[in-house]
Amino acid sequence: DSGVTQTPKHLITATGQRVTLRCSPRSGDLSVYWYQQSLDQGLQFLIQYYNGEERAKGNILERFSAQQFPDLHSELNLSSLELGDSALYFCASSVSETSSDEQFFGPGTRLTVL
Amino acid sequence: AQKVTQAQTEISVVEKEDVTLDCVYETRDTTYYLFWYKQPPSGELVFLIRRNSFDEQNEISGRYSWNFQKSTSSFNFTITASQVVDSAVYFCALSDSYSGGYQKVTFGIGTKLQVIP
Repeated sequence: DSGVTQTPKHLITATGQRVTLRCSPRSGDLSVYWYQQSLDQGLQFLIQYYNGEERAKGNILERFSAQQFPDLHSELNLSSLELGDSALYFCASSVSETSSDEQFFGPGTRLTVL
Repeated sequence: AQKVTQAQTEISVVEKEDVTLDCVYETRDTTYYLFWYKQPPSGELVFLIRRNSFDEQNEISGRYSWNFQKSTSSFNFTITASQVVDSAVYFCALSDSYSGGYQKVTFGIGTKLQVIP
């Protein structure tokens, strides 16, 4: 158990809808990272927050947004969902501000868009 | 630009065989970090090792060993006397600074290892 929690575990929704994925980092970790894992794209970095502020952006679509709250939990919002958004979404956390440290991954949220 | 290449998409070995997973990276930075993560069938990624670009010492942890060679931009991972529990997808990752911003991490496509009893 990495200490990172993600909810929900599974999410099934329809095209055009909006969903929110939630992540709680390990105790003491200030950085939260979001990743998308799909069969064709592999593991793609989406975005990083550190202590409430956005730190780094990867291949995140404009339809997606995230935030980190004062209690350090983070939410990833996906809107106007398309079939291609079906994937496993991982959250990870680390102590430091940069991605030079190891990251601890949550169990993931499997999103299915029908 | 950052790039991580894991040329072996799938490998099958018989239990107790040794197996090496290859990782080749590209970066323009002189300071960078390399990682290996394991993703077992349960799905959760597990950190295995971290190396910074200034430390080329090989590392051994039990049956696992890592060979970092800057001259060939490689960071290979060897499992000795493989076991069925080693069956997983293994990811190599690179963290470096990209132009105009903070560090970010790039993962390879992963190598699926199947250990046959």
